[in-house]
Amino acid sequence: AQRVTQPEKLLSVFKGAPVELKCNYSYSGSPELFWYVQYSRQRLQLLLRHISRESIKGFTADLNKGETSFHLKKPFAQEEDSAMYYCALNNQGGKLIFGQGTELSVKP
Amino acid sequence: NAGVTQTPKFQVLKTGQSMTLQCAQDMNHNSMYWYRQDPGMGLRLIYYSASEGTTDKGEVPNGYNVSRLNKREFSLRLESAAPSQTSVYFCASRRDRNTGELFFGEGSRLTVL
Repeated sequence: AQRVTQPEKLLSVFKGAPVELKCNYSYSGSPELFWYVQYSRQRLQLLLRHISRESIKGFTADLNKGETSFHLKKPFAQEEDSAMYYCALNNQGGKLIFGQGTELSVKP
Repeated sequence: NAGVTQTPKFQVLKTGQSMTLQCAQDMNHNSMYWYRQDPGMGLRLIYYSASEGTTDKGEVPNGYNVSRLNKREFSLRLESAAPSQTSVYFCASRRDRNTGELFFGEGSRLTVL
């Protein structure tokens, strides 16, 4: 079964601290993975995708096929990073499956 | 360009009433999706349309129907609303059938009393 798991509902850190949002997936094929972000009163939007291997707003995520993980990391959290983050898995049939979401709260 | 537009933004229904959520995109995208967002459950796929003329069930299709009216429009219908369908509904679209970024609407908050 295809599944995306984000084990933390809420992650609270202080400004300047490192942050890691965990994402594990279950998929038998070659996965295509994304991180989406929803800032307060804004639309869900793409943060990054594993294919592009880029850093957006200081965030990076590496696909680890051995551990079936795609954790999102940032070395120094900022207050404006506070948002809801969703990990998503694209299957070859066109479905995009999301995890439960992690709310990141960055305190001053 | 407006992107993905959903209507209505807010709706209150009584149990048993019916309603249709409308979604339109102006990006010439092939695929369109309906999700519901619930606290602790994340985003769950209700139905999707990989291309014009096709629709498929997602994770939680029971109690819903969809219509891909044309390439631009994808509507979600609740025939007999239940309190369990109280949620925020998101429409999304993307250019390619099997890959790529989803673009989301602003969401429709539905309350069923």
